[in-house]
Amino acid sequence: EVQLVDSGGGLVQPGGSLRLSCSASGFTFSSYWMSWVRQAPGKGLEWVANIKQDGSEKYYVDSVKGRFTISRDNAKNSLYLHMNSLRAEDTAVYYCARDLEVAAAGTNFDSWGQGTLVTVSS
Amino acid sequence: DIQMTQSPSSLSASVGDRVTITCRASQSISSYLNWYQQKPGKAPKLLIYAASSLQSGVPSRFSGSGSGTDFTLTISSLQPEDSATYFCQQSYSTLTFGPGTKVDIK
Repeated sequence: EVQLVDSGGGLVQPGGSLRLSCSASGFTFSSYWMSWVRQAPGKGLEWVANIKQDGSEKYYVDSVKGRFTISRDNAKNSLYLHMNSLRAEDTAVYYCARDLEVAAAGTNFDSWGQGTLVTVSS
Repeated sequence: DIQMTQSPSSLSASVGDRVTITCRASQSISSYLNWYQQKPGKAPKLLIYAASSLQSGVPSRFSGSGSGTDFTLTISSLQPEDSATYFCQQSYSTLTFGPGTKVDIK
């Protein structure tokens, strides 16, 4: 059974840093692109970043470029999101998700972690 | 970026009703469209991928259709457990989601 377990969230002051982790099991982690998706309280979903199987390609939504870094450790079956210069608008539940590429139909997120809450406030 | 809109933003329907949710893209996205269901306090769950393909394990009362800019998610016979918010998501370019449609049971 595919399982993704998110951790690392918490309360952080504006301008602070935080590292989120996602532990994967039940599938060959190194064979999949992986993403982080966030959801502000009471709001919709926003894709944040994704990373290729070997970590050689990374993509970010414009609002986090230069502040967030996605990384992975395939030996530990783990995905990370390093968040710097945090702002109030980064407050959200952060989910890791497995990317599944479908031929001629793009990417979907077929498995999700349970989410971890990041609150940016003084 | 491609903008996604959904209508209605919310609806209330009775058990057994046929329910249709619409998703529209700001430009053509071919069939690069997925649908998710999210219940309160839970992670989203993939229902439909590639506009019309049913994800494994999802009840057959859910179906998707459309291509280009206009898409629909249909629940053929609404069940109590379908009370949730439904999001569309495009992957034609930078991944974006629609704002969601909240479905309540009367």
